[in-house]
Amino acid sequence: DAGVIQSPRHEVTEMGQEVTLRCKPISGHNSLFWYRQTMMRGLELLIYFNNNVPIDDSGMPEDRFSAKMPNASFSTLKIQPSEPRDSAVYFCASSFGNFETQYFGPGTRLLVL
Amino acid sequence: KQEVTQIPAALSVPEGENLVLNCSFTDSAIYNLQWFRQDPGKGLTSLLLIQSSQREQTSGRLNASLDKSSGRSTLYIAASQPGDSATYLCAVEGGSEKLVFGKGTKLTVNP
Repeated sequence: DAGVIQSPRHEVTEMGQEVTLRCKPISGHNSLFWYRQTMMRGLELLIYFNNNVPIDDSGMPEDRFSAKMPNASFSTLKIQPSEPRDSAVYFCASSFGNFETQYFGPGTRLLVL
Repeated sequence: KQEVTQIPAALSVPEGENLVLNCSFTDSAIYNLQWFRQDPGKGLTSLLLIQSSQREQTSGRLNASLDKSSGRSTLYIAASQPGDSATYLCAVEGGSEKLVFGKGTKLTVNP
């Protein structure tokens, strides 16, 4: 299997622009997680899905962030409008079943100018 | 609220040395604890997962222990190699599939 796939790998945008990050989980995995990593705060869970349904979005920082999982093989994380403080590395991870090992994608490095 | 702390934040050792990385957590009501490795500019790679009912897990030169009652875990690396240089992250999973991460220990193994 190719592992968790994320795109783009790098994104540079200007404040106020919409940003869409994409994730393809490992085939057969039924849980999907979006994380954000910064130097100051470390890795933080933003939202996770189980069987395509959002289970917990308490980590989403504010209404500018939204996430969707229209099917078992695709998810998006959208930031609209983007702000410089959103600059971070965003990771997607997937797992098979509850409380199993999470497999991480390579991340998307986002820079908002 | 669960908090995970990793000490030290950075560690530099000569090749061949055995070393221990530490992880502590504030809420002992966990389902499992995981150790990950992160290389610069890369994602996380799962190293070991210890279920709450287990005391330790081993994989090759790595051994992770868990003392749930005291809120501690250690990752032991035997005969360290330069290729072990990376950041090691500890994460605990509570009752909701949510992983709470520590900020990691950056390990450098010098040839």
